[in-house]
Amino acid sequence: QVQLVESGGGVVQPGGSLRLSCEASGFSFSSYGMYWVRQAPGKGLEWVAFIPFDGSDQYYTDSVNGRFTISRDNSKNTLFLQMNSLRFEDTGVYYCAKGNGWWPDHWGQGTLVTVSS
Amino acid sequence: QSALTQPRSVSGSPGQSVTISCTGTSSDVGGYNYVSWYQQHPGKAPKLFIYDVSQRPSGVPDRFSGSKSGNTASLTISGLQTEDEAEYYCYSYAGYNWVFGGGTKLTVL
Repeated sequence: QVQLVESGGGVVQPGGSLRLSCEASGFSFSSYGMYWVRQAPGKGLEWVAFIPFDGSDQYYTDSVNGRFTISRDNSKNTLFLQMNSLRFEDTGVYYCAKGNGWWPDHWGQGTLVTVSS
Repeated sequence: QSALTQPRSVSGSPGQSVTISCTGTSSDVGGYNYVSWYQQHPGKAPKLFIYDVSQRPSGVPDRFSGSKSGNTASLTISGLQTEDEAEYYCYSYAGYNWVFGGGTKLTVL
């Protein structure tokens, strides 16, 4: 079965950086686009970034464009999110999700990012 | 990239039916048949319940159904059960943008 395991979250000061990872198993990782979606405490879901199966392009929501970078290593079945210049409003649980066409189908359990001084 | 509009809460009694609406624009809900619905219980990851407006993944009960008219999509849950109490999010593809609704809290009274 599909398994997605995020890691790399933690507490960071404003302006700092974090790199999230998402290790995938149970499906042919290199055949599917992948998403990062976040959820601020007590708030709804927000799409953050998308990368096609081959990593040929990257797409970002406006609020993270230029600060975050999505990438993937298909040889290691791993998705990444490099987050720079972090802001208070970036705090939340970050989920990676497997794409199926133009929507996410399977989700990981998430990793918590806290931006705090 | 405005969020899709959902009611903040709906409620119903066991056995009843409820419908959750999701209103967008012609650039998202109205422009593509790529509307999905996700269920999320507190502290858990979202789970896909409907995709392509009205398709159910395997394992999702047929009590859950989806539809769309113009810029508004809907999720209908019939024969409400206590385990249906959760947050529900709609989602739409919007041309290399992806947008979620604000979420609807379903309470089963």
